[in-house]
Amino acid sequence: RKEVEQDPGPFNVPEGATVAFNCTYSNSASQSFFWYRQDCRKEPKLLMSVYSSGNEDGRFTAQLNRASQYISLLIRDSKLSDSATYLCVVLGSGGSYIPTFGRGTSLIVHP
Amino acid sequence: DTEVTQTPKHLVMGMTNKKSLKCEQHMGHRAMYWYKQKAKKPPELMFVYSYEKLSINESVPSRFSPECPNSSLLNLHLHALQPEDSALYLCASSQDPQGRTEAFFGQGTRLTVV
Repeated sequence: RKEVEQDPGPFNVPEGATVAFNCTYSNSASQSFFWYRQDCRKEPKLLMSVYSSGNEDGRFTAQLNRASQYISLLIRDSKLSDSATYLCVVLGSGGSYIPTFGRGTSLIVHP
Repeated sequence: DTEVTQTPKHLVMGMTNKKSLKCEQHMGHRAMYWYKQKAKKPPELMFVYSYEKLSINESVPSRFSPECPNSSLLNLHLHALQPEDSALYLCASSQDPQGRTEAFFGQGTRLTVV
């Protein structure tokens, strides 16, 4: 079983839609969680940190469910510019504190 | 300033060449990383430096040789690479080597081995 798992998608949604991604992690001792966004042929950029209490930034909401060992990212009112790959990153996965990436979820927002 | 700077942005090298990738950050981060990313795959960890000491080498072939001259700089020396080593090489840094803080990535070096 992979340490960090994501549905690769693609998620194909119209502008204005709400879309949610989940990411599961295998190590219950994992400590820190992040969502990164990566555009084609660019570097990953930090989108949000994920806290136990949840985290909201404009149209983006991230949540952590420790009991079920998953984190989620909700995007409301999708824009064309939201089209990208969204990478889930877990620290403290597998007993190490190295950023461990999920395979990424591809989002395509169409007009 | 959350900037990690990588040079060069693009590199084409022959299999017999020796080249180096450079990475610089001035955020006072004490952990620095090299990742390799192939198309449509997530970044794959290569090396971790913690307080300027190599702490993790993910069984990377010896044709890749990392170096951390000081707390702001990280190099990756390349020698006798293979075409399958062509990829995007990403440098990242984070404040806390214990992994409690987010990592910031440079723009990457797109390497092509011919």
